[in-house]
Amino acid sequence: GQNIDQPTEMTATEGAIVQINCTYQTSGFNGLFWYQQHAGEAPTFLSYNVLDGLEEKGRFSSFLSRSKGYSYLLLKELQMKDSASYLCAASSMDSSYKLIFGSGTRLLVRP
Amino acid sequence: GAVVSQHPSWVICKSGTSVKIECRSLDFQATTMFWYRQFPKQSLMLMATSNEGSKATYEQGVEKDKFLINHASLTLSTLTVTSAHPEDSSFYICSTRYWGETGVNNEQFFGPGTRLTVL
Repeated sequence: GQNIDQPTEMTATEGAIVQINCTYQTSGFNGLFWYQQHAGEAPTFLSYNVLDGLEEKGRFSSFLSRSKGYSYLLLKELQMKDSASYLCAASSMDSSYKLIFGSGTRLLVRP
Repeated sequence: GAVVSQHPSWVICKSGTSVKIECRSLDFQATTMFWYRQFPKQSLMLMATSNEGSKATYEQGVEKDKFLINHASLTLSTLTVTSAHPEDSSFYICSTRYWGETGVNNEQFFGPGTRLTVL
């Protein structure tokens, strides 16, 4: 079956670090995506992991463990503009590499 | 990255009418496009996979006769919501799959979305 789990909401303070976890069970797994989505807008790409390990890109980092079916998105030096929903999505080789999305984590950054 | 456009960006219609939403890939040829629906404070739900020159593949629970998908060219896919009802009001987003130079990055690029309100 296909299943993606991530926390519904998180709150953090400006300047702090926050980690958003995601667990997945996906047949034909072919990589894990993280997207950021502001209210009323389309998702924008943040990161992609297909091999185990940490991928760092500026203030954002993403980690993947294929054996554990686990990923996290790490946001450093939080800014107010980082308040958004963060979507974890697993890519499946089954049926045209479609993305299976988690329910999304709404992050609120407070001053 | 790839650029995807959608038209219209928002539409309001009366119950019972049909609404067509266009999704265009502007700078590359997209053999596959995906259509998603998103209700407020919920995640994206895949409705169907649109394949150029062939029938779309619908996800379980999505009525193919109500949500008509046409992918007649490599740059255009359309979603028609037939006989729309208030419960069809939602944010509809399309995406295309873009293979990077290495062929490994199967990132999807999303259109800006279409907000449909059915009165």
